[in-house]
Amino acid sequence: QSMLTQPPSVSGAPGQRVTISCTGSSSNIGAGYDVHWYQQLPGTAPKLLIYDNNNRPSGVPDRFSGSKSGTSASLAIMGLQAEDEADYYCQSYDNSLSGHWVFGGGTKLTVL
Amino acid sequence: EVQLVLSGAEVKKPGDSLKISCKGSEHSFTSHWIAWVRQKPGKGLEWMGIIHPGDSDTRYSPSFQGQVTISVDKSISTAYLQWSSLKASDTAMYYCARPIGRLGEVGYYFDYWGQGTLVTVSS
Repeated sequence: QSMLTQPPSVSGAPGQRVTISCTGSSSNIGAGYDVHWYQQLPGTAPKLLIYDNNNRPSGVPDRFSGSKSGTSASLAIMGLQAEDEADYYCQSYDNSLSGHWVFGGGTKLTVL
Repeated sequence: EVQLVLSGAEVKKPGDSLKISCKGSEHSFTSHWIAWVRQKPGKGLEWMGIIHPGDSDTRYSPSFQGQVTISVDKSISTAYLQWSSLKASDTAMYYCARPIGRLGEVGYYFDYWGQGTLVTVSS
């Protein structure tokens, strides 16, 4: 059971906007720790997509954006493209005994 | 450009020992932590532990403490993940990644990842 909860799957048609939620608790996101997002294309290593809640590394299209509020965070993808079909993971820091850096369980995005 | 290159896929039997490696390309390898992350087949990412190549300071996730050993040889810019007795449940893809962040460890994210090493444990 992940300490950060994501929906197992989301889907959308090309051109649409989709959002992926990441729900935590008072020991991680709710404690004020930043949320980061990764994209994992099939058969490849994860790639940093968003860091510090809403910042994009160089080379990541501005179709991807992140936000955080309270004990949750969201990743939004605008203008959905076929190549966005991937698994997406959120990640944060947790100050409980269960560990330091925690990931969400991942969300499979299907482009219809 | 930072590169982390992992050793090749392994097929082992239960009870075997194993050490996989992650070689860094950057001249500042000793300045940044290196983390290990597990991904079981069809499952999500799990942080296992981190090591600082500069002084070998090592921290483990409680879930992996005592199950694996993380080490480093800074002379060859290489970090290691080691098992003394593998189990079938250790079958997974293992990644090394570089944690970085403006706020120190509470703000760490993983900006560079190795390509992954698939470890298969089967009798």
